[in-house]
Amino acid sequence: DSGVTQTPKHLITATGQRVTLRCSPRSGDLSVYWYQQSLDQGLQFLIQYYNGEERAKGNILERFSAQQFPDLHSELNLSSLELGDSALYFCASQGGPDTGELFFGEGSRLTVL
Amino acid sequence: GENVEQHPSTLSVQEGDSAVIKCTYSDSASNYFPWYKQELGKRPQLIIDIRSNVGEKKDQRIAVTLNKTAKHFSLHITETQPEDSAVYFCAATYNNAGNMLTFGGGTRLMVKP
Repeated sequence: DSGVTQTPKHLITATGQRVTLRCSPRSGDLSVYWYQQSLDQGLQFLIQYYNGEERAKGNILERFSAQQFPDLHSELNLSSLELGDSALYFCASQGGPDTGELFFGEGSRLTVL
Repeated sequence: GENVEQHPSTLSVQEGDSAVIKCTYSDSASNYFPWYKQELGKRPQLIIDIRSNVGEKKDQRIAVTLNKTAKHFSLHITETQPEDSAVYFCAATYNNAGNMLTFGGGTRLMVKP
C-alpha cells in the first residue's frame, strides 16, 4: 500500500460525458502528479500540483482540467470524453525534500464506450 | 526542461541471464535517478534509486550505475527470473521540493523460462 488513494478504481462511461477522478496523497506530501497510461504505452505526464498551485504541465488536453484543494487532495476532470481517452489514470504524490520518490496510487481505469 | 531517453523499448532474455536497460538525460543539474517497475495492470513502484554523489548502487540482484559526465545511467538485473518480467521506467530530476520527475519511455522486459 503506497498510501495514495484513488477513486474510483474503475469507471465506464459514454462518449461526450464528463468524469472526475479523485486522489488523496500520502499524509504530509505536498506534491501531486497525474499521469495517463494507455494500453501498452508509457506514463504520459499530464499535470503537477505543489501545495495547491500548478507547478508543471505536460500534454494535457484542453478538455481536461485539474486542481489541488487546501486539504491537498486533487481532482482530475475529464470532459467531452472520446474513445481515445480510455486509459489508466495514475495519481502520485511526492515525498519531501530529502527524496524525489513518487508514490503511485492504484490508478483509475477509465473506459469510454 | 529535462528529457530522458530509455533503451531498449523491449528486451527479451532467458531466465538466468542478465538484463541491462540504459537511460540518458539532458539536464546536467539532475541529481536523483530512480527506477520504477510496473507489473501488468499494477502501479509503478520504486525498485532502486541513485544520487549523483555515487557512481553505483546495488540491492541484491539489481544494480544501477551513473555516469554524470556522459549523462547516462543504467539498470542491471542479474540472474533474471520470470517474476522480473515487467515494464521498467527510469527517471531523473533535480531533487528539490516539488521538482518534477521526468520519466523515460519504458522498457518491457520479458524473461523466458
